[in-house]
Amino acid sequence: DTGVSQNPRHKITKRGQNVTFRCDPISEHNRLYWYRQTLGQGPEFLTYFQNEAQLEKSRLLSDRFSAERPKGSFSTLEIQRTEQGDSAMYLCASSLSNAAQETQYFGPGTRLLVL
Amino acid sequence: DAKTTQPTSMDCAEGRAANLPCNHSTISGNEYVYWYRQIHSQGPQYIIHGLKNNETNEMASLIITEDRKSSTLILPHATLRDTAVYYCIVRHLTNFGNEKLTFGTGTRLTIIP
Repeated sequence: DTGVSQNPRHKITKRGQNVTFRCDPISEHNRLYWYRQTLGQGPEFLTYFQNEAQLEKSRLLSDRFSAERPKGSFSTLEIQRTEQGDSAMYLCASSLSNAAQETQYFGPGTRLLVL
Repeated sequence: DAKTTQPTSMDCAEGRAANLPCNHSTISGNEYVYWYRQIHSQGPQYIIHGLKNNETNEMASLIITEDRKSSTLILPHATLRDTAVYYCIVRHLTNFGNEKLTFGTGTRLTIIP
């Protein structure tokens, strides 16, 4: 257990529905990352927060995706009007900014299946 | 960040040392080598990282060649629980930017009883 938690662990939804995932990082970590992983591939970067500010979004993050980190602690990732192509594992990682030693610690992920 | 090349899969007998190679021939002087692993259906787990010196921790050892163009992750006494996909990642740390990790497809290590 890394100290990063994600909920729910599994989500099955029908195409067109909205879903929201939550990530609780390690409490003192100021950076939070979201990644997406499809079958057989490594995780791919989606977006990144430093404290409450969302500083970068990948081109993978379409307009249907939105992420927030309102108080610089937990974060949510919402997908609107889900599509079958959104089926993937959504991973959250947190870190403490420090140039030499920054290490990201990952949560267990939320596995999404869109029917 | 520099690109890495890893074998697609490897087997290792239980109790033996597992040596996982990684090529990163385009690495630059301020880029670190990180290793993560991912056990089936779990999130990636940090293992170790280094810049140019060899590193050891309770999980593994990291050997980086003198020219830094390749490295080897060593699991000294592999157990069945070490069966996982191992990712070698080269990363430039800036301390003021997005330190996102760029994963490849990794090496699928299978420990054989």
